[in-house]
Amino acid sequence: GENVEQHPSTLSVQEGDSAVIKCTYSDSASNYFPWYKQELGKRPQLIIDIRSNVGEKKDQRIAVTLNKTAKHFSLHITETQPEDSAVYFCAASMRGRTSYGKLTFGQGTILTVHP
Amino acid sequence: NAGVMQNPRHLVRRRGQEARLRCSPMKGHSHVYWYRQLPEEGLKFMVYLQKENIIDESGMPKERFSAEFPKEGPSILRIQQVVRGDSAAYFCASSQGYSGANVLTFGAGSRLTVL
Repeated sequence: GENVEQHPSTLSVQEGDSAVIKCTYSDSASNYFPWYKQELGKRPQLIIDIRSNVGEKKDQRIAVTLNKTAKHFSLHITETQPEDSAVYFCAASMRGRTSYGKLTFGQGTILTVHP
Repeated sequence: NAGVMQNPRHLVRRRGQEARLRCSPMKGHSHVYWYRQLPEEGLKFMVYLQKENIIDESGMPKERFSAEFPKEGPSILRIQQVVRGDSAAYFCASSQGYSGANVLTFGAGSRLTVL
């Protein structure tokens, strides 16, 4: 089955700096890569996603890049703010009638943004 | 739109008791997924259901765990004879039909504590 590795496990930055979180996946059949933000005790919330037919997607301060050949994708947050502090999870999903919502998650990155 | 509704939010059970967790998907969503999150870990897929059908239960433990999504009413995840290792947050997610089925919306979770 699919395996997703996420690094780093913790990331500490100063407000205004950029933060980058990287994930690798094992199954070349995966074609959908979402990123979720989870605040303490709260639900995971989708912040951005990318499909395998594009290499980069941006939404304001957040961007995701995908390298299908190397099987890795990254989350980039620019101009970080204290409210960006949370646990971030990457995930991967394979195309297939019964696989669409079956996400394989990375282990998570605890991001702390210091004022 | 009330989103994905889960209850109870917190459940305490003693070893050997039964736990029942309920999930009502978002309006218009017909696909339901259950994920388990152990402390300080990522989410792990358990089961994918549509109305009256289990589509993929490859992540469900072979014993004591069952799930259903009846024609009427919420989806239910049932854990019989709970053990301490079942203590976790159980998240339900829902999605639309097959087009865009990857895009999951998560509920707030049910946190099970086994004493």
